[in-house]
Amino acid sequence: EVELVESGGTLVQPGRSLRLSCAASGFSFEDYAMHWVRQAPGKGLEWVSGITWNSGNIAYADSVKGRFTISRDNAKNSLYLQMNSLRAEDTALYYCVKGLMGNNINDAFDIWGQGTMVPVSS
Amino acid sequence: DIQMTQSPSTLSASVGDRVTITCRASHIINSWLAWYQQKPGKAPKLLISKASKLESGVPSRFSGSGSGTEFTLNISSLQPDDFATYYCQQYNSYLLTFGGGTKVEIK
Repeated sequence: EVELVESGGTLVQPGRSLRLSCAASGFSFEDYAMHWVRQAPGKGLEWVSGITWNSGNIAYADSVKGRFTISRDNAKNSLYLQMNSLRAEDTALYYCVKGLMGNNINDAFDIWGQGTMVPVSS
Repeated sequence: DIQMTQSPSTLSASVGDRVTITCRASHIINSWLAWYQQKPGKAPKLLISKASKLESGVPSRFSGSGSGTEFTLNISSLQPDDFATYYCQQYNSYLLTFGGGTKVEIK
């Protein structure tokens, strides 16, 4: 069964850092670009960041560029998001998602995790 | 960035109705558009990719069309399971963007 399981979400104060993890199983993780997508409470979907199979191509939304860092470990079938200088507006459910077609960042998303919640508040 | 504008934001319909949701892109995106369905408390589900390609397991009452900057998602005969929020997403640019969503409610 194809599965993505996020972890690491917790209440964090503004200005602090947090690292999210995503464990993938049931597919050849190294063959696909991976992404983080977030959803603020009661709001729509926002793409955060994407990374190709060998980390050779990485992209970020303008809202997180310079503060967030995406990375992956293909040996561990894992995706990460290091979030620094967190702000109240980063409060959201963070989804780990798999690219549909393969190794392009320009892609749709066919597999989603259940998400990990990150509330940013003092 | 490419902006995606969905309309309407909310739609009230009855079981059996034909439903149309529109998504407009601020720049030409060819056919690089996907549609998702999201139910409360659940992760989104991919329905359609490349503007009109129905994903495996998605009922045939769903269809997508369009290219360039204007796209539509049609549900030919709304079923109880279809009441949800629908999002479009462009993937022509590496800065991926979603529409604001369309909530399909029971009339």
